[in-house]
Amino acid sequence: EVQLLESGGGLVQPGGSLRLSCAASGFSFSSYAMNWVRQPPGKGLEWVSSITNAGSSTHYADSVKGRFTISRDNSKSTLDLQMNSLRAKDTATYYCVKPLVGTGTFDSWGQGALVTVSS
Amino acid sequence: EIVLTQSPATLSLSPGERATLSCRASQSLSGYLAWYQQKPGQAPRLLIYDTSNRGTGTPARFSGSGSGTDFTLTISSLEPEDFAVYYCQQRADRPLTFGQGTRLEIK
Repeated sequence: EVQLLESGGGLVQPGGSLRLSCAASGFSFSSYAMNWVRQPPGKGLEWVSSITNAGSSTHYADSVKGRFTISRDNSKSTLDLQMNSLRAKDTATYYCVKPLVGTGTFDSWGQGALVTVSS
Repeated sequence: EIVLTQSPATLSLSPGERATLSCRASQSLSGYLAWYQQKPGQAPRLLIYDTSNRGTGTPARFSGSGSGTDFTLTISSLEPEDFAVYYCQQRADRPLTFGQGTRLEIK
């Protein structure tokens, strides 16, 4: 069974930093690209970032480009999202998401980590 | 960026009725459209991918159709557990984008 467990969420002041982690199990982690998708409270879904299976290529939404960095450690089956220069608009539940192999369709989701940016 | 517009925003129906949800794209998706269901307090769940393929565990009452820029999710006979928010999502081009959602509520 695929399991994705996010950690690292919490309250941070505007301009601050936070690092989210996702521990993956139940599948061959190193064979899959991975993604972060976020959802502000009461609102819709927004793709944030993706990384290829080997970690050699990354993509970001324009809204986070230059502030967020996605990374992975295939030896530990972990996915990270380093978030810097946080803004109130970054307040959201952040989901670690596994795609169907070779696609941008999201077939397994973690339970989410809530990030609140507020003074 | 490909914009996905879902309609209606809210759909009020009764159990046993047929539900039809729409998703329109700003450009052709070559069939690369998925549908997700989200219940309160839960993560989204993949229902349909690449227009019409049911995800693992998706009941047969859920079906997807469409082509080009217009896509439909149909629930043939609503069960009580189907009342939720539904999102469409495209993978035809980066950035990957979602529709704003359709809330399916009990009438």
